[in-house]
Amino acid sequence: AQSVTQLGSHVSVSEGALVLLRCNYSSSVPPYLFWYVQYPNQGLQLLLKYTTGATLVKGINGFEAEFKKSETSFHLTKPSAHMSDAAEYFCAVKATGGGNKLTFGTGTQLKVEL
Amino acid sequence: ETGVTQSPTHLIKTRGQQVTLRCSSQSGHNTVSWYQQALGQGPQFIFQYYREEENGRGNFPPRFSGLQFPNYSSELNVNALELDDSALYLCASSEGQINTEAFFGQGTRLTVV
Repeated sequence: AQSVTQLGSHVSVSEGALVLLRCNYSSSVPPYLFWYVQYPNQGLQLLLKYTTGATLVKGINGFEAEFKKSETSFHLTKPSAHMSDAAEYFCAVKATGGGNKLTFGTGTQLKVEL
Repeated sequence: ETGVTQSPTHLIKTRGQQVTLRCSSQSGHNTVSWYQQALGQGPQFIFQYYREEENGRGNFPPRFSGLQFPNYSSELNVNALELDDSALYLCASSEGQINTEAFFGQGTRLTVV
């Protein structure tokens, strides 16, 4: 079984500051890992994903995440926050070879302040 | 623009009623998955359809059922609605049933009163 834990249901940063959203996973098999963003009253948009290969993954809108097997982590970062980054962010895990079922964390609401 | 469209966008139903939600998958996608997202929670997997057959199900009771049509569009049916069924229902389509990227629609907001 797979699961993810997102530490911090709410994160607040100043515009221009570093964004760090934390995600730890649990998986009995090598996982595929994802970060999605959700704006109010909208569906989910894929930011980035890790499947195999390079552990540092770059995504859209300047976000990146690093897969650290030793720490079972897949934290999301962005060097400089923008007001438009304010949204809810979900980490998700999928078992390799296990169909397309995604298991999501409970989400982190990112607030960006002037 | 993901190409996955869901209808309706909002719906209000009374406890005990039945509801049908619809999803048109992105062109070329033959797999559809449905998720329930309660307020303040992450999406929970309901089930997946691949080429008109259910091939994966989450921890949801049988009153949650679905269909996939030859054009790969899909329906989610919920019978005997309960207040706790109030949620955003998300549809995601993908090309293939294993390890392919899922593209989400904007969701249907269901309120049960």
